[in-house]
Amino acid sequence: IAGITQAPTSQILAAGRRMTLRCTQDMRHNAMYWYRQDLGLGLRLIHYSNTAGTTGKGEVPDGYSVSRANTDDFPLTLASAVPSQTSVYFCASRETGRDTEAFFGQGTRLTVV
Amino acid sequence: GENVEQHPSTLSVQEGDSAVIKCTYSDSASNYFPWYKQELGKGPQLIIDIRSNVGEKKDQRIAVTLNKTAKHFSLHITETQPEDSAVYFCAAINAGGTSYGKLTFGQGTILTVHP
Repeated sequence: IAGITQAPTSQILAAGRRMTLRCTQDMRHNAMYWYRQDLGLGLRLIHYSNTAGTTGKGEVPDGYSVSRANTDDFPLTLASAVPSQTSVYFCASRETGRDTEAFFGQGTRLTVV
Repeated sequence: GENVEQHPSTLSVQEGDSAVIKCTYSDSASNYFPWYKQELGKGPQLIIDIRSNVGEKKDQRIAVTLNKTAKHFSLHITETQPEDSAVYFCAAINAGGTSYGKLTFGQGTILTVHP
């Protein structure tokens, strides 16, 4: 089934540790996004990529990095996790240049202790 | 950049009543306005969208209206059912041209439909 896959589905992480959240899509979409979802704050954009080889900062990029080596994969890395990064993380993809919908993964629930 | 404000943050209605969620946006270049529904434990899914050249769009019990001059758009759900209970997000994006890119979401509305 075509779609977007995130891994892991949940993780408990010690503060100071490095963590990479994985995101893979098989729809050949150009654009990919990482959002974090916190109660009362909605979906806030962390980083995005309009095409392979390019990335951009969103609303809350500090403490996170991304790479886009190919069309399908868009990993999000926390270099040194802090408790304020406890959140649910969603990856999404869509076609750029047209008014098309974004498809979301099932999310990764991350708890930093 | 774009800023999207969404109200109310919570909405409680009786089954069969109508529900209205409102959003405003700041960037006049935005031209595509999707609405997403998020059920518990799942990622958001598109339920309806509207382009900037259209004032209203309807799909069964769901409708969306857009006022470009005032820069606001609304989601209307009629004859609500318990399965409509979810979190709803509005979003805005400049979907074309050279500034395509960020999809900005509102803060979300928790809709509860009581049987």
